Parts: sequence; C-alpha cells; structure tokens
Amino acid sequence: QKEVEQDPGPLSVPEGAIVSLNCTYSNSAFQYFMWYRQYSRKGPELLMYTYSSGNKEDGRFTAQVDKSSKYISLFIRDSQPSDSATYLCAMSAGGAQKLVFGQGTRLTINP
Amino acid sequence: GAVVSQHPSWVICKSGTSVKIECRSLDFQATTMFWYRQFPKQSLMLMATSNEGSKATYEQGVEKDKFLINHASLTLSTLTVTSAHPEDSSFYICSAPASEGPDGKLFFGSGTQLSVL
Repeated sequence: QKEVEQDPGPLSVPEGAIVSLNCTYSNSAFQYFMWYRQYSRKGPELLMYTYSSGNKEDGRFTAQVDKSSKYISLFIRDSQPSDSATYLCAMSAGGAQKLVFGQGTRLTINP
Repeated sequence: GAVVSQHPSWVICKSGTSVKIECRSLDFQATTMFWYRQFPKQSLMLMATSNEGSKATYEQGVEKDKFLINHASLTLSTLTVTSAHPEDSSFYICSAPASEGPDGKLFFGSGTQLSVL
C-alpha cells in the first residue's frame, strides 16, 4: 500500500463547477499537508499549505485536513479553464520539506 | 512566492555522455535543496537531498555514483547524470525551502526534460 493514495483521474468538469480533489494517507505521523498544481512539463506550484488539521481558504481554493480519517481535500470553486492541470497532494511528518507526493489528479475544465 | 530557477529546461544527449542540470534559488538562500524525478503520468519521487558544504543524502535505490550532486553555494545545486542511458530519460525537478526550519515551504524549479538517445 502506498503511503499516499490519490485518484489519478482524469477528471473533466464544465466551467464554473465546484471541483473536489482528495487524498488518503496511511502514516499518522504526517503533520504538514500541501496541494501543488503542475502544468504539463513544468515544476509544481504551491497552492495551499496546512499544518495539522483544519480548513484553509485562499480565494477560490479551500483545503481541508481530517487527520482522524487520514483524508485531505482541495475544493476549487467557480472553476476556470486555466485551472486545468495536474493537482498533487503532498505531505510530511518531518517538516514541510521531506514530502511524500500523491500520484496527482489530471483535471480538465471545459469551457 | 520564492523563485527557483532550473536550467536547462530540456536536453537531448547521446548514450554514454554526462549531463549537468543547475538549480538556483534566486531571491533566497538554501542550505538544502531537493532533487526529484518524475516519469510520465506519475508522481514526483525524491532522489536525493543536497546539502550545502557537505555530501548529498541519497534515497534508497538511487545510485550516488550515477547521479552526482554538488551544492556549491547557498544558491546553487547541480545534478550531473553520468554515463547517461536511455532508461535515465525522465523529467528532473529541483526544489528548495524558502526558509529554514521544519515549516519552510518548498518551491520548485521548472524542471528539466532529459532525453537520452
């Protein structure tokens, strides 16, 4: 079993829809949780950063961490075609730097 | 956010040659940098941790003699793929934390696509 599980998709939704992306994990020691967006053949871009449990909102993006269920989510409201990318969850027990990544979910927002 | 610059963005080389990839932190200093490898439609796999002024730490299964890492200064780390073979063809990405301490957020370079003929 992988430490971090993420459905690779692909996921295709119409413009304006609410998108829900999720990851589950097995290591209860994970404390740092991140979501990255990666466009094709580019490096990942940090979208959201959460330490421990709770919710965090930034514009159209909301990150949720449920440590009791070992489950994290990223919600995108009013999705735009420019949101089309691969979204990677990442987490760590030993600081925000030694990350374990999920496989990534390919998302397409259709105009 | 912090800027990490990676060069070249793509490189094609013949089998048996060596290729050097540079990773620079442009607006901050980084005593530690990380090198990842990513195959198509797969996630990032950590290869090694580059430490300024000391030896790199390699992940299990990564050949240290094949993937040479040099962290020459607080803003520059290089990865050299020695005697490259077609199976080394991959997307290589570096990253650096924007601040010291365990909660330093990780920023990534734009990646290098290596194709070995």
